[in-house]
Amino acid sequence: ETGVTQTPRHLVMGMTNKKSLKCEQHLGHNAMYWYKQSAKKPLELMFVYSLEERVENNSVPSRFSPECPNSSHLFLHLHTLQPEDSALYLCASSQGLAAGTDTQYFGPGTRLTVL
Amino acid sequence: QQQVKQSPQSLIVQKGGISIINCAYENTAFDYFPWYQQFPGKGPALLIAIRPDVSEKKEGRFTISFNKSAKQFSLHIMDSQPGDSATYFCAASRTYGGATNKLIFGTGTLLAVQP
Repeated sequence: ETGVTQTPRHLVMGMTNKKSLKCEQHLGHNAMYWYKQSAKKPLELMFVYSLEERVENNSVPSRFSPECPNSSHLFLHLHTLQPEDSALYLCASSQGLAAGTDTQYFGPGTRLTVL
Repeated sequence: QQQVKQSPQSLIVQKGGISIINCAYENTAFDYFPWYQQFPGKGPALLIAIRPDVSEKKEGRFTISFNKSAKQFSLHIMDSQPGDSATYFCAASRTYGGATNKLIFGTGTLLAVQP
């Protein structure tokens, strides 16, 4: 595997389910990100981790719970979601947090549908 | 408040033509302006980027034009090819003041290049 991988690629869940999205980066990077991509909306930054420490939480509802056990893995735990949470969830990684220098590399995303 | 406005939402260009996508930003603190390209089923990937100390940057068939006074920048794709068909996102960020590599994205432009 190379780059940034995400599993599963597609997920359908009910509003009462609990599920987790997984992201793994094979680039040796120290920073990881979760984004939400909805149709006709800008990509929304959700969380930023640097060296396993959360450095940004962009006012995300508590039904989304991130976890970064090490610099290569990032999880997004989901519970009690709403239909409006249906979207493509993208993971990204970068060497560091230097904007303009540390390019963000994106995974292919998990297409989430909440029924 | 949408900080980066992108237009058009979709664009159809004939093979060999010029594709032009425009973005406008509001925050004068932004000093890094990347463009990302996203193919179906893939995550966005950095295409080209510019800083406000230059008015134009060219990489192959892709050119960014930057107008600091108007707070606008645009992507020009010369000799457009069917393989350029993708969604293009402009973005902006601030590189100083402890920023956490936070990119503010536009809403995207779906480009279709017809053979």
